[in-house]
Amino acid sequence: DADVTQTPRNRITKTGKRIMLECSQTKGHDRMYWYRQDPGLGLRLIYYSFDVKDINKGEISDGYSVSRQAQAKFSLSLESAIPNQTALYFCATSEIPVAGGHTGELFFGEGSRLTVL
Amino acid sequence: KNEVEQSPQNLTAQEGEFITINCSYSVGISALHWLQQHPGGGIVSLFMLSSGKKKHGRLIATINIQEKHSSLHITASHPRDSAVYICAVRSGVGGGSNYKLTFGKGTLLTVNP
Repeated sequence: DADVTQTPRNRITKTGKRIMLECSQTKGHDRMYWYRQDPGLGLRLIYYSFDVKDINKGEISDGYSVSRQAQAKFSLSLESAIPNQTALYFCATSEIPVAGGHTGELFFGEGSRLTVL
Repeated sequence: KNEVEQSPQNLTAQEGEFITINCSYSVGISALHWLQQHPGGGIVSLFMLSSGKKKHGRLIATINIQEKHSSLHITASHPRDSAVYICAVRSGVGGGSNYKLTFGKGTLLTVNP
């Protein structure tokens, strides 16, 4: 099984629908992230969570919400999907970087391709 | 201007060639990541470095903090190296809203047999 699992892997929906993308990890990492990837734009951070009680907005959080249900689970919701939210979404995890210890290396899920019609 | 610039955007090589992908950034950083993304696939972390040089198999990553520049080298390139290579810089330390990871747009590498 993958260390970081995203569901669903592909989803086609209609404008105005509520969508949830789920992410679970077996790495035991405190830090989890949601990114979206668009052609020509690179990865952009939507939300991140450094522990269960710590959630922060990234650079493009408008139109999205998140829930950190447990250390291992971090869900991304689109309350009312719109076509320009069509993108490839990635969940990632990392350890807390510590000098001489953990590197803060990122571990990504396989991605969730969302199409909003 | 993007805070992280990669060059070239596209690179085509013949099998066996030595490959260099460059990453320049304009902000102070605490670390730099090199990532690999295969077509249709997920993203894999190759290196995370904050100084000097790291080597893993045929891959070598270097960083010059003073010049705000990093390079990813692939020796003896192979068609299976064909992928998008992404540079990302981490600024801010600790937790909370101080964290920032900025990605380059990626370099598409195609290695022909």
